[in-house]
Amino acid sequence: KAGVTQTPRYLIKTRGQQVTLSCSPISGHRSVSWYQQTPGQGLQFLFEYFSETQRNKGNFPGRFSGRQFSNSRSEMNVSTLELGDSALYLCASSLRASGGEQGQFFGPGTRLTVL
Amino acid sequence: KNQVEQSPQSLIILEGKNCTLQCNYTVSPFSNLRWYKQDTGRGPVSLTIMTFSENTKSNGRYTATLDADTKQSSLHITASQLSDSASYICVVSPRGLSNFGNEKLTFGTGTRLTIIP
Repeated sequence: KAGVTQTPRYLIKTRGQQVTLSCSPISGHRSVSWYQQTPGQGLQFLFEYFSETQRNKGNFPGRFSGRQFSNSRSEMNVSTLELGDSALYLCASSLRASGGEQGQFFGPGTRLTVL
Repeated sequence: KNQVEQSPQSLIILEGKNCTLQCNYTVSPFSNLRWYKQDTGRGPVSLTIMTFSENTKSNGRYTATLDADTKQSSLHITASQLSDSASYICVVSPRGLSNFGNEKLTFGTGTRLTIIP
């Protein structure tokens, strides 16, 4: 069974631009969560989607948004990029909401650099 | 505030040696604790998961221990290999995390382990 895939793997943008990241969960998984990982902060929760609905949101500004499609694929969008948005963005999928007993399976991440 | 602290921040050991990584948490009530391994440029991969009633869980050369009374966990790596070079992240789930509660997961900032030949 294929794992979680994320595209693109690397992205370079300039301040003020917007960016869209994509995540394809493991087949059959309906829950997708997004995390931001920076060296100093570790992983920080952005939001969780289940059955095309955002179920949970972390403490991030409204510039960060997302959506989930009927095939469970998810996209994350960041508008008006700031230097501090440079990070590794990880997507995690799970069979049940919030991981369940099996927990979450992470994708390889998208490395975003904002210049 | 729920917190997870990991130590040391970084560790360098010779190939073949053993090492132990620490995770202290303040999450309460506590449900389960996971250890993840994250290779550079990759996503985290689950190594072990322990509930509050378990003391030890092994996965090959990786052995995790949990003391729910002192709120401490450790990950012991035996006979280290070059491929063990990675960041190891401790993640704690609070009890009552039923539906849509991923925002309540508390992640440590990880221990960066480097194995040298």
